[in-house]
Amino acid sequence: KQEVTQIPAALSVPEGENLVLNCSFTDSAIYNLQWFRQDPGKGLTSLLLIQSSQREQTSGRLNASLDKSSGRSTLYIAASQPGDSATYLCAVWRGGGADGLTFGKGTHLIIQP
Amino acid sequence: EAGVAQSPRYKIIEKRQSVAFWCNPISGHATLYWYQQILGQGPKLLIQFQNNGVVDDSQLPKDRFSAERLKGVDSTLKIQPAKLEDSAVYLCASSPTGYEQYFGPGTRLTVT
Repeated sequence: KQEVTQIPAALSVPEGENLVLNCSFTDSAIYNLQWFRQDPGKGLTSLLLIQSSQREQTSGRLNASLDKSSGRSTLYIAASQPGDSATYLCAVWRGGGADGLTFGKGTHLIIQP
Repeated sequence: EAGVAQSPRYKIIEKRQSVAFWCNPISGHATLYWYQQILGQGPKLLIQFQNNGVVDDSQLPKDRFSAERLKGVDSTLKIQPAKLEDSAVYLCASSPTGYEQYFGPGTRLTVT
């Protein structure tokens, strides 16, 4: 059974810092990995999707990497801003029929002004 | 393009009552998912539909939860009777192929 772990569970940093969120998964037989953002009381917003054949994806100040063989992904946020405060969720997709996403518990991020 | 729509956004009920949630997926998306997100946890898949057929309902508590997707479009998720531990956000997602899933805003259920 696939298990996804996110470290740290919570993080508070001053504005302007670069930071790294970590995600690990137990079964490397994945098709892709997604990073989502969730604001309080809201649904999920997809940030980045990395196919299993890719090593990284970038969008603006966000960069996500994937090491499928070691079962790890990182989300790098450059020059953090207060608006980045949210919960960040990592999810893996196995594909092939019964293919719901398996999520981690998330990292609750607070950027201090 | 309109996103995934869900209603209601919030619902408060007493335990042992029944409740229903509605989801309208993105037009043309064949696959529809219902997830349950308990506070402090990641979303957990409850049921997956492909058109109007069930693909995976292995984590759906079938003694109290039911779901249907008539005509392969809209879907409803029902809880009857509700328990305190059902308090959660219920998220609906849709996808054309499963490769990338698009989530609705969710319904926050509080059972008192």
